[in-house]
Amino acid sequence: GENVEQHPSTLSVQEGDSAVIKCTYSDSASNYFPWYKQELGKGPQLIIDIRSNVGEKKDQRIAVTLNKTAKHFSLHITETQPEDSAVYFCAASIGDSNYQLIWGAGTKLIIKP
Amino acid sequence: GAVVSQHPSRVICKSGTSVKIECRSLDFQATTMFWYRQFPKQSLMLMATSNEGSKATYEQGVEKDKFLINHASLTLSTLTVTSAHPEDSSFYICSARDLYGKFDEKLFFGSGTQLSVL
Repeated sequence: GENVEQHPSTLSVQEGDSAVIKCTYSDSASNYFPWYKQELGKGPQLIIDIRSNVGEKKDQRIAVTLNKTAKHFSLHITETQPEDSAVYFCAASIGDSNYQLIWGAGTKLIIKP
Repeated sequence: GAVVSQHPSRVICKSGTSVKIECRSLDFQATTMFWYRQFPKQSLMLMATSNEGSKATYEQGVEKDKFLINHASLTLSTLTVTSAHPEDSSFYICSARDLYGKFDEKLFFGSGTQLSVL
C-alpha cells in the first residue's frame, strides 16, 4: 500500500539553530502535504501545508519544500526556540483530498537551551 | 478560527464500563469527522470516519460494536467505548473537515482524550 516515510525519528538541535525534517511518499497522485505539530498530551496542530503546484512555502520561521519528481518534502524551522520542542508529523494526501491522509511516523524535535 | 473541542481530556474508568467522548467543531460546519487512536510514541491510527446523518465507516480491524460513533449534527460527533477493557487504554483524537471551505477544507484536530481503563 501507499506509505509515507519520515526521518529522523528524533532530532536534537541547539536553540537558535535550524531543524530539517524530511518525508518521502509513494503515491504519485498525492498533491497535498500538511505538517502537524503535536505537543505532549495534545492533539496535532496544523502548522503549514503545501500543494503540488508550488515548490516552496514559507510562514515566518517555518518553511516547507516539495520535490514532486523525487516524491519528497521537507519541513524547515529556522532560529529554533524552546517552544518548538514537540513531535512533528508529515502527511500526504490520498489523491487530491485535503483530509484523507497517510501519516508519517513522526519526529521528536528537542531544542537544547 | 478552526477550533475543534474535545471532551473530556482525561478519563479513568473501571473495566466493563462505557465511556463517551465528544468532539465539536466550534466555528465551522463539518460533515465529516474522523476518530484516531494513538499509542505512546506512535503515529495516528485512523479508526473510523464519521459522516453526519449516516453510519460511520470503520477501518479494517476496528470493532464497530466496541467503538460506537454517532454524528447527529454538523458540529458534533461522539465516540463511545463500550465495555472498556485495559487494552482500550489509549489516546483518542478526533478531527473535523471544514465542509464549506471556510478554512480551505483542511483537517483540524481536537485536543485528545487520554483513556485509562483499570
